[in-house]
Amino acid sequence: KNEVEQSPQNLTAQEGEFITINCSYSVGISALHWLQQHPGGGIVSLFMLSSGKKKHGRLIATINIQEKHSSLHITASHPRDSAVYICAVRIQGAQKLVFGQGTRLTINP
Amino acid sequence: GAGVSQSPRYKVAKRGQDVALRCDPISGHVSLFWYQQALGQGPEFLTYFQNEAQLDKSGLPSDRFFAERPEGSVSTLKIQRTQQEDSAVYLCASSPLVIRGYTFGSGTRLTVV
Repeated sequence: KNEVEQSPQNLTAQEGEFITINCSYSVGISALHWLQQHPGGGIVSLFMLSSGKKKHGRLIATINIQEKHSSLHITASHPRDSAVYICAVRIQGAQKLVFGQGTRLTINP
Repeated sequence: GAGVSQSPRYKVAKRGQDVALRCDPISGHVSLFWYQQALGQGPEFLTYFQNEAQLDKSGLPSDRFFAERPEGSVSTLKIQRTQQEDSAVYLCASSPLVIRGYTFGSGTRLTVV
């Protein structure tokens, strides 16, 4: 079993829909990251969380440390949100990130 | 520079050829990481430097993989005698302090034919 699991693996939605991507992890962590990857490979950091909730524009990230679960929400989704969204954790005491497999999101106009 | 720069962006190598992938981190970033991302998968850790010291190389898949950061800035990931299973995107990330997050490069897509 992977230390970081994401669901769903693929998600297709219509423009305007509310999107939720989930991440569960099985280890103690210092921080959880949500990342966005467009075709071509470059990764952009969206959020770094250790507790609670963060919001940036139409994106919201939440984390429940006790349940070892995080969600990324996108409100009023737009075709330009189409990308792979990756959850990654920094395990306690470590420097590196451990990644989930990613969720491929496609927003149709 | 303003971001993490990786070169080349694309590399096609014949099986058995040696390749060298370069990462220019953000100036002043102490920590540098290499990750390997196979098609359709999440990135997997290869190795980590703090300045010029390679503190963790537990993710290097074989002794054909070698990384260095001799002056604590630019890093090179070298793969000797490339195999088809080495085909992947190789990502570099740097950080001034990991509690402040990471900046990723655009990656090098290696295809071994």
